[in-house]
Amino acid sequence: GQQVMQIPQYQHVQEGEDFTTYCNSSTTLSNIQWYKQRPGGHPVFLIQLVKSGEVKKQKRLTFQFGEAKKNSSLHITATQTTDVGTYFCAGSRGSNYQLIWGAGTKLIIKP
Amino acid sequence: EADIYQTPRYLVIGTGKKITLECSQTMGHDKMYWYQQDPGMELHLIHYSYGVNSTEKGDLSSESTVSRIRTEHFPLTLESARPSHTSQYLCASSKRANNNEQFFGPGTRLTVL
Repeated sequence: GQQVMQIPQYQHVQEGEDFTTYCNSSTTLSNIQWYKQRPGGHPVFLIQLVKSGEVKKQKRLTFQFGEAKKNSSLHITATQTTDVGTYFCAGSRGSNYQLIWGAGTKLIIKP
Repeated sequence: EADIYQTPRYLVIGTGKKITLECSQTMGHDKMYWYQQDPGMELHLIHYSYGVNSTEKGDLSSESTVSRIRTEHFPLTLESARPSHTSQYLCASSKRANNNEQFFGPGTRLTVL
């Protein structure tokens, strides 16, 4: 079946270092969404990408959707303690299809 | 903040009990979902609904059932709880069109002894 692979599973960074997580789909996606889940919390929507090659920024977060609409990335510049949590991508083949979730990448700030 | 509520937030019960996890949203969303998530792990879709009287099974095989008699209410029932059902259950909702963002409730953390 359709899968969305997300890597890495964990990333340990020093505060101030950058963080990147990648998602790859086995099939072309209609759109991809990104969510953040704080420890002990629930997923919260960050952004949706729809267009091929789209790049969107939210302050220190940069989201990209690949030209073939099969891959996406989230890059955080100069991480802060408030960025700690698990970042999930979720792709869809269209409005009649359910979201396919990646396994998430956990961002951990080294003490 | 999204207006989607789940009760109870925490539940510890014995094996064999019947339980119902409640989920309500006040946003008038047509689509609702139930996910199962072990701590720090991926989300597994177990049920979803496109609207009143519509229910579908998700990707993860589940021994639970759901109903959608009212737009705002989407309860999940386990007829006979087992230790393997121990997990967090997240309810979510979204507007019907174009895979709009999903709004999640705070979750119910279930422990079956």
